[in-house]
Amino acid sequence: NAGVTQTPKFQVLKTGQSMTLQCAQDMNHEYMSWYRQDPGMGLRLIHYSVGAGITDQGEVPNGYNVSRSTTEDFPLRLLSAAPSQTSVYFCASSYDSGDYEQYFGPGTRLTVT
Amino acid sequence: GQQVMQIPQYQHVQEGEDFTTYCNSSTTLSNIQWYKQRPGGHPVFLIQLVKSGEVKKQKRLTFQFGEAKKNSSLHITATQTTDVGTYFCAASNAGNNRKLIWGLGTSLAVNP
Repeated sequence: NAGVTQTPKFQVLKTGQSMTLQCAQDMNHEYMSWYRQDPGMGLRLIHYSVGAGITDQGEVPNGYNVSRSTTEDFPLRLLSAAPSQTSVYFCASSYDSGDYEQYFGPGTRLTVT
Repeated sequence: GQQVMQIPQYQHVQEGEDFTTYCNSSTTLSNIQWYKQRPGGHPVFLIQLVKSGEVKKQKRLTFQFGEAKKNSSLHITATQTTDVGTYFCAASNAGNNRKLIWGLGTSLAVNP
């Protein structure tokens, strides 16, 4: 099993550009989530999904969209990048909700200039 | 909303010294998880505690869940340089759509 994979590993965007961060898992997990990590801020939940076709907002959803058309994939879209979105983004999956062990991808380091 | 407070924010120890990080909540928790993140890496699951007063050990690491299920601790005995990283607690509460609420982490530095 590859576990949770994320692409790209690094990305530099200009303000106003859009892009999609990819996340995939091969463990047949129902629950997937996106976090951003900034120095001193810990992990903040952006969006999460409890299964294919179902998504919901976390604590910092503004400027981001998600969709979950399959169990395996959970892409995160930045609509119009801003310097405040410079961060490290982690995708995570688990069997079912936050009650279970979270498996994290390696992360995407995004810089917006 | 529910918060999980984690202290200390940073800890610098000499190799061989012990280390403890604490997580505290004002509300009762369903369970608490602990993760370790090495510098430049991603969080990796260490353990989950579910029962009141539960104590679990993994080699030099001891995890405790308080009797009231409102606090937890991670204790490392005789730290090694391989213990360097940030330790996070994350708590689940049945009332918050079963999302995890994360502490801000404790960054551990170990002097050889």
